Amino acid sequence: DAGVTQSPTHLIKTRGQQVTLRCSPISGHKSVSWYQQVLGQGPQFIFQYYEKEERGRGNFPDRFSARQFPNYSSELNVNALLLGDSALYLCASSFAQGSYEQYFGPGTRLTVT
Amino acid sequence: QKEVEQDPGPLSVPEGAIVSLNCTYSNSAFQYFMWYRQYSRKGPELLMYTYSSGNKEDGRFTAQVDKSSKYISLFIRDSQPSDSATYLCAMSPSLTGANSKLTFGKGITLSVRP
Repeated sequence: DAGVTQSPTHLIKTRGQQVTLRCSPISGHKSVSWYQQVLGQGPQFIFQYYEKEERGRGNFPDRFSARQFPNYSSELNVNALLLGDSALYLCASSFAQGSYEQYFGPGTRLTVT
Repeated sequence: QKEVEQDPGPLSVPEGAIVSLNCTYSNSAFQYFMWYRQYSRKGPELLMYTYSSGNKEDGRFTAQVDKSSKYISLFIRDSQPSDSATYLCAMSPSLTGANSKLTFGKGITLSVRP
C-alpha cells in the first residue's frame, strides 16, 4: 500500500510569495496533521484536520491556513512568505483523530529566498 | 523552558553497544509518549508508543516512562549501523480534541560505527 505522499518534494519561493503544499493520506485514513520542521529542530504542530474539519491549531500566524477535501487529501497554504518559513513541511495521517499511530510523509522542503 | 527537552547530540557508539536516549518534559498533562526515528531526507516513523508510566519492549527497543520525574527514555540493545538516524521523542496530553497535538523534542542524531 502507498504511504503518505506529499507534493512537491522541493520548492523555492521568494519572500512575500504564497505557496500551496499538498498531502495525500494513506487510503482509509481520515485525519491529517501538518508539521513544520526547521533544520536541527523537532517538528512543530501546525494543524490537524479530521473529517474535513479543523480539530487543532498550533501557535502559527494567520498566514498559515489549511483545508481537507472530501477524499481526505489536504492542502497547506502559506501567504506572505518570510525567510523564517524555510523548513521541511511534514504531513501525517492517521485512521482517526484518536489514533496514536501517525504516519508521516517524506515532507516538502521549502526554501524562501 | 521548552515543554520537551532532549539530550543534545550527536551520539556516536560502536556496533553492539547499548544506547540510552532521554527526554524530560515540564507539562504534567502529557499522557501519551512516543519515540520516532527519522532517517535523512525522510519523514519520522513511529518506533514505540507508551501510555502513562511504565516500560514497553519491542525487540531490541525498550521505552520507559517515569511520570513522577517527567522523564522518558529509549534503550536500544545490540545497536546496529542501520540504527543510525535521528531519534525524536514526542508526547501529547490527549489523542482527541484540541489537545491532541504532538509536542516533539529537538531530536538526537545517533551514529553506530561498524
